Amino acid sequence: DIVMTQSPESLAVSLGERATINCKSSQTVLHRSYKEHFLAWYQQKPGQPPKLLIHGASTRDSGVPDRFSGSGSGTDFTLTISSLQAEDVAVYYCHQYLSAPLTFGGGSKVEIK
Amino acid sequence: DVQLVESGGGLVQPGGSLRLSCAASEFIFSNYWMNWVRQAPGKGLEWVANIKQDGSEKSYVDSVKGRFTISRDNAKKSLYLEMNSLRVEDTAVYYCAGGDGWLCRAWGQGTLVIVSS
Repeated sequence: DIVMTQSPESLAVSLGERATINCKSSQTVLHRSYKEHFLAWYQQKPGQPPKLLIHGASTRDSGVPDRFSGSGSGTDFTLTISSLQAEDVAVYYCHQYLSAPLTFGGGSKVEIK
Repeated sequence: DVQLVESGGGLVQPGGSLRLSCAASEFIFSNYWMNWVRQAPGKGLEWVANIKQDGSEKSYVDSVKGRFTISRDNAKKSLYLEMNSLRVEDTAVYYCAGGDGWLCRAWGQGTLVIVSS
């Protein structure tokens, strides 16, 4: 199984400042044929289902604000919120969809400082 | 907008059974792999199972193998999860989700399953 490890578990960032979340996979999540990392990021607010933000490690899903960006390769990935807004308070999860069992990171809670 | 609506959750005793359903609308259901993902109260996300477009391939997380069965009816645009021999640790909100390949792009609102005596 591919284990996804996120850090930090929680972070408090001032409005307008940058928030950075890291995710490490225990094995590569690179799909050799597609030459794409099967790594996604989700945002989950209380009482709501997860919302897809990023797929393919760095492709924003439709309608996702450009302050959200994903980067990384191999086994190390990062989600960056360039200028934190109040509505970004949530838990963020990384997720590999390369191989079964599909697995998620433990989540990173983002709060306002 | 894509809509996935889960139903069938509730309170069940340990060892009992439950069948969850997920109805899709505004969604070309038969084009997509579909998944069940669960979230225990206050915990993170755990993928449970998925099923190929035509139902010919299924995968499960080890903790539910032999107890849960995923199925689908493309004519009814519906996904199912038959859960048997339920355990206290199966208590969670169960989401259905689908999208391109194994990527979960669209999610339902979830249905709560509580396993308790």
